[in-house]
Amino acid sequence: AQKVTQAQTEISVVEKEDVTLDCVYETRDTTYYLFWYKQPPSGELVFLIRRNSFDEQNEISGRYSWNFQKSTSSFNFTITASQVVDSAVYFCALSEDWKQGGSEKLVFGKGTKLTVNP
Amino acid sequence: EPEVTQTPSHQVTQMGQEVILRCVPISNHLYFYWYRQILGQKVEFLVSFYNNEISEKSEIFDDQFSVERPDGSNFTLKIRSTKLEDSAMYFCASSDFTASGGPGMDTQYFGPGTRLTVL
Repeated sequence: AQKVTQAQTEISVVEKEDVTLDCVYETRDTTYYLFWYKQPPSGELVFLIRRNSFDEQNEISGRYSWNFQKSTSSFNFTITASQVVDSAVYFCALSEDWKQGGSEKLVFGKGTKLTVNP
Repeated sequence: EPEVTQTPSHQVTQMGQEVILRCVPISNHLYFYWYRQILGQKVEFLVSFYNNEISEKSEIFDDQFSVERPDGSNFTLKIRSTKLEDSAMYFCASSDFTASGGPGMDTQYFGPGTRLTVL
């Protein structure tokens, strides 16, 4: 069965600091998909990124970057030069390849609450 | 940009009452989902729906729950007899289904959620 672990429950940083949110996953599938979602205080879930298991290239989008390492089953998320607006709960999630008998449902980690202080 | 919408944003009900939560998925999407998030906890899968039938459901999705696509745009979650422990945020999501891929390959886009409070 699939599992996502976000060991950091809460992180507090000062604005402009870099911060990395950790995500470790477990799955028996060789093909799977990893996601990050942001949940701001208003409560909605905002999609940030999707990664396929066969694509280990790291990705950068503005101040956000993601480091995918299959060898350690990790998909970490770094915010560079954090801002107060980055304050939110960040969820890592996993889905499997339905064609291989996996489930298309998203399995979420428990989330990391990030507070960026001015 | 197309988005998933949900109504109402907040529903308060008495224990034992029936509630219907409504969702309008993104128009060209074919896979629909319900998730719930008890306050302060992680987001949990309830059910997925494709081609007018349930594709998968979790252990949480017992006989008190049902889903329906009553027309071409709405997707509903009904809880027949609410319990105190049903109090949570309920999220609807939808995803595309590509011929070369599948629902898990495509991103699930979430609505803003309905906060259900059972008294």
